[in-house]
Amino acid sequence: IAGITQAPTSQILAAGRRMTLRCTQDMRHNAMYWYRQDLGLGLRLIHYSNTAGTTGKGEVPDGYSVSRANTDDFPLTLASAVPSQTSVYFCASGDLSGRAYSGTDTQYFGPGTRLTVL
Amino acid sequence: DQQVKQNSPSLSVQEGRISILNCDYTNSMFDYFLWYKKYPAEGPTFLISISSIKDKNEDGRFTVFLNKSAKHLSLHIVPSQPGDSAVYFCAALLIGDYKLSFGAGTTVTVRA
Repeated sequence: IAGITQAPTSQILAAGRRMTLRCTQDMRHNAMYWYRQDLGLGLRLIHYSNTAGTTGKGEVPDGYSVSRANTDDFPLTLASAVPSQTSVYFCASGDLSGRAYSGTDTQYFGPGTRLTVL
Repeated sequence: DQQVKQNSPSLSVQEGRISILNCDYTNSMFDYFLWYKKYPAEGPTFLISISSIKDKNEDGRFTVFLNKSAKHLSLHIVPSQPGDSAVYFCAALLIGDYKLSFGAGTTVTVRA
């Protein structure tokens, strides 16, 4: 593995079903993020985790949950999918090591999961 | 309400000419502004950033200009190349928060 991976690549899901999107990074970044991309709205933060064992809510957290049991993995769960959750989901990771932000530090994104809820 | 806005959803430019992408923001406390580039079926990748204490940052063909009084920044690509055809996202960052606020994106098409 090099960088950040997401699975599945795409998924069609019936409304009401439970779904977990997987995200794994091998860069040992302490922070991880989940975004959804929708036309005209850009990337919106769903949930984030600044370090293993902690999580926080982003801009659009309703209907989603996350966990961060270790540094590398950050799964996103839709407990009961609804059509409005049809979107492209991106996982990202970044290094918040506490040093002064340099301006070139950034978040590294996975290739995305295209989810369709019918 | 979105704190970062890209009001032009698309831009078409001829190869070799300049592409100018605009971005406006509402929060004067943002410390850094970043541009990301995204190709279809891929995740966004970092392109260039600028500190709020600077007014210009240049990296090769890419230059970011920041006008703090107007809460406006722009990305200039000179000269534009076919490989620049992508979606460009403007983002803003508060140090200590480390959560990026993204604009809606601008799709750039470079015509041969």
